[in-house]
Amino acid sequence: NAGVTQTPKFRILKIGQSMTLQCTQDMNHNYMYWYRQDPGMGLKLIYYSVGAGITDKGEVPNGYNVSRSTTEDFPLRLELAAPSQTSVYFCASSFSGKGEQYFGPGTRLTVT
Amino acid sequence: ELKVEQNPLFLSMQEGKNYTIYCNYSTTSDRLYWYRQDPGKSLESLFVLLSNGAVKQEGRLMASLDTKARLSTLHITAAVHDLSATYFCAVDQAGTALIFGKGTTLSVSS
Repeated sequence: NAGVTQTPKFRILKIGQSMTLQCTQDMNHNYMYWYRQDPGMGLKLIYYSVGAGITDKGEVPNGYNVSRSTTEDFPLRLELAAPSQTSVYFCASSFSGKGEQYFGPGTRLTVT
Repeated sequence: ELKVEQNPLFLSMQEGKNYTIYCNYSTTSDRLYWYRQDPGKSLESLFVLLSNGAVKQEGRLMASLDTKARLSTLHITAAVHDLSATYFCAVDQAGTALIFGKGTTLSVSS
């Protein structure tokens, strides 16, 4: 099992550009999550999904969109990138909402 | 709104000594997680604490949970350099998401 994989690992965007962060898990987990981690801070939840076709907002959803068309994939879309979105983005998955979450390696995004 | 506070945020440890990290949370929850993060890396699960009084140990680390006090502790016994990392506690919120503390950065020196 590869677990949770994320692409790309690094990306530099210009203000106003858009991009999609990819996340795939091969553990057949129902729940998937997107977090962002700013320097010296813990993780903050952006969006989560409890299954294919179902998504919901987390603590900091503004400026992002998600979709969940399959169990395996949970892409995060940034529209009109802003410097405030410079962060490290982690995708995670769990079998249930009360289960241990497994994290991907992260995507380091810089918006200039 | 669930809030999770860790202290201390930074801890400089001497090899061979014992230390404790505290994790307090503001609303009722019966699930708490501890993660380790090395610089530039992802999060690695250390402990899952599922009930009041739960205690788990792995090597020099021992975690406990007191749901009545809304407190978890991570105890480090005889610190060694390999334990240098940032440790996060995270609390389950209504079975849908985890709320993370800001993390405690441990540095072990001889």
